[in-house]
Amino acid sequence: ETGVTQTPRHLVMGMTNKKSLKCEQHLGHNAMYWYKQSAKKPLELMFVYSLEERVENNSVPSRFSPECPNSSHLFLHLHTLQPEDSALYLCASSQDPGTGGNEQYFGPGTRLTVT
Amino acid sequence: GQNIDQPTEMTATEGAIVQINCTYQTSGFNGLFWYQQHAGEAPTFLSYNVLDGLEEKGRFSSFLSRSKGYSYLLLKELQMKDSASYLCAVLNSNYQLIWGAGTKLIIKP
Repeated sequence: ETGVTQTPRHLVMGMTNKKSLKCEQHLGHNAMYWYKQSAKKPLELMFVYSLEERVENNSVPSRFSPECPNSSHLFLHLHTLQPEDSALYLCASSQDPGTGGNEQYFGPGTRLTVT
Repeated sequence: GQNIDQPTEMTATEGAIVQINCTYQTSGFNGLFWYQQHAGEAPTFLSYNVLDGLEEKGRFSSFLSRSKGYSYLLLKELQMKDSASYLCAVLNSNYQLIWGAGTKLIIKP
């Protein structure tokens, strides 16, 4: 197992469904991130966890709920989503979010479609 | 506000050289990153600049001018596999990464 993995790779869900995205990193990093990527828009940082504690939440709607049970795993729980939430959701990890030069390693993403 | 500007799309010819520019306005500066993202794949790290000047890494080089709020990524001897989006991101004074929307590079034979 290498780098950062995400499951599922593709997800179609209705607005009333509840689903979860999973991310796992095998790099021994201390920080993990959730990003939303929409076409032709900058990456939007959603959540940052450092040593399993949430350090940043960029005003994300409550229908997105993160969970970080340990430094290797990160979840994004989804419920009552809207069609505009359809996007690519990327997970990333880095050694330390509080210093420069620590590049982030990304997972392949989950392509989410809300119908 | 904070923003990163880079061209939306560029086209270049196989074997040629292309320069992708990035200008930024952020609250403080702790370094600038370039990432490559192939369609349908994860972004991958290319370079990090925190001091002014040129950093060379094989066919790819990245330049930074902090006084001008400007960086560029230079790709030499272009190959078809270089067709991808190139993302510029700046680490601000709060160690938040501010991302540009990316430049889609199309390589033609």
